[in-house]
Amino acid sequence: EIVLTQSPGTLSLSPGETAALSCRASQTFGGGYLAWYQQKPGQAPRLLIYATSSRATGIPDRFSGGGSGTAFTLTINRLEPEDFAVYYCQHYDDSPPWTFGQGTKVEI
Amino acid sequence: QVQLQQSGPGLVKPSQTLSLTCSISGDSVSSTNAIWNWLRQSPSRGLEWLGRTYHRSRWYDDYAVSVRSRMIVKPDTSKNQVSLQLSSVTPEDTAIYYCVRGGAGTAAGLFDSWGQGTLVTVSS
Repeated sequence: EIVLTQSPGTLSLSPGETAALSCRASQTFGGGYLAWYQQKPGQAPRLLIYATSSRATGIPDRFSGGGSGTAFTLTINRLEPEDFAVYYCQHYDDSPPWTFGQGTKVEI
Repeated sequence: QVQLQQSGPGLVKPSQTLSLTCSISGDSVSSTNAIWNWLRQSPSRGLEWLGRTYHRSRWYDDYAVSVRSRMIVKPDTSKNQVSLQLSSVTPEDTAIYYCVRGGAGTAAGLFDSWGQGTLVTVSS
């Protein structure tokens, strides 16, 4: 089972700034099957990025994903007030179990 | 657009069975391009995948090792629903439970639609 470690735990920023979130995997995996989700208080997670760098439907282009091997990043440019939330990375493929990182909170 | 509407009790007594239902609209529980999952989230365990069911030439299901002996995920094709039953619950099963759609093939574990979540508390 792949373990995902996210850093930092909390990121304190202001609107308009850039957020850089890290996700490190315990082992390499093929296909770039790494996703990012956003979760706001009282809501379910929402898919942002899949296949390392592809944005899900309706996700603005200020969100971008990258990385390879065991190191992946989510970058949020020009933070908007609605972007302050918790972000999770997840490894996925065709066979469970699937695991999530512990989350990074982006706060004002 | 897929919508997943969860229902079920928010309080379950220890040793009893937790039962939740997920009503699907905008897709079919029998779709060969979808997989219907249950996940949960708690402060101690984070986001945890629990189990799934899906239809290809027949119905399949599988479960996380941690709940395999206690959990059943079943489709109801007549109502376009999927249900979760988790037996012999303990306070450690207290969590927000989510019904979630996954895709096909390598996207099986890619979760693109989520129910609203149900907070289930296990307490006497």
